[in-house]
Amino acid sequence: NAGVTQTPKFQVLKTGQSMTLQCAQDMNHNSMYWYRQDPGMGLRLIYYSASEGTTDKGEVPNGYNVSRLNKREFSLRLESAAPSQTSVYFCASSALTGGGYNTGELFFGEGSRLTVL
Amino acid sequence: KNQVEQSPQSLIILEGKNCTLQCNYTVSPFSNLRWYKQDTGRGPVSLTIMTFSENTKSNGRYTATLDADTKQSSLHITASQLSDSASYICVVSGYGNNRLAFGKGNQVVVIP
Repeated sequence: NAGVTQTPKFQVLKTGQSMTLQCAQDMNHNSMYWYRQDPGMGLRLIYYSASEGTTDKGEVPNGYNVSRLNKREFSLRLESAAPSQTSVYFCASSALTGGGYNTGELFFGEGSRLTVL
Repeated sequence: KNQVEQSPQSLIILEGKNCTLQCNYTVSPFSNLRWYKQDTGRGPVSLTIMTFSENTKSNGRYTATLDADTKQSSLHITASQLSDSASYICVVSGYGNNRLAFGKGNQVVVIP
């Protein structure tokens, strides 16, 4: 059971380049999330998808786009990378436990370390 | 202001000793509180999750407490081991929304 798988694990980009981070989960979870983690700061939500076919902005969505390709996969795209997007990106998933709010455990991937020069 | 504050920011403890990490939050209304362990270079992994009706929950040598009245939680590590060296993140969920509030983490270093 792989859980949450992210690719690539490491990436170096030049300013203005684009790239897509891929995430897949095999736990049949409804909800998926993209976070970024920067030194001295807590995890910050970029975008999330509460269910297949829906996506919503999180705390720091500017400069990013997402696609919930199917129930398993949730990708994060940087259209024109900027040095401020240098960070570690985590994908996570959870099973909604009902009532429209998340009380379930978050399962995280191992992270994608992105450097923008 | 961050809705979840953790203290101390970092600490160093000797192997075999105990330590307690603190988490204060302002999220309201409250749904649940989770503690995650994040090893260096890895993703966070859940240790405990507690709802407002739960005061204590254990996971091996980790014991979490919750006081929903004072909006405080603690994570106690008993007989620390080198493998306990990690960042411990407190995460609070508010009732009625799909957003989670993350603390910045307590960085624990266990030395032999």
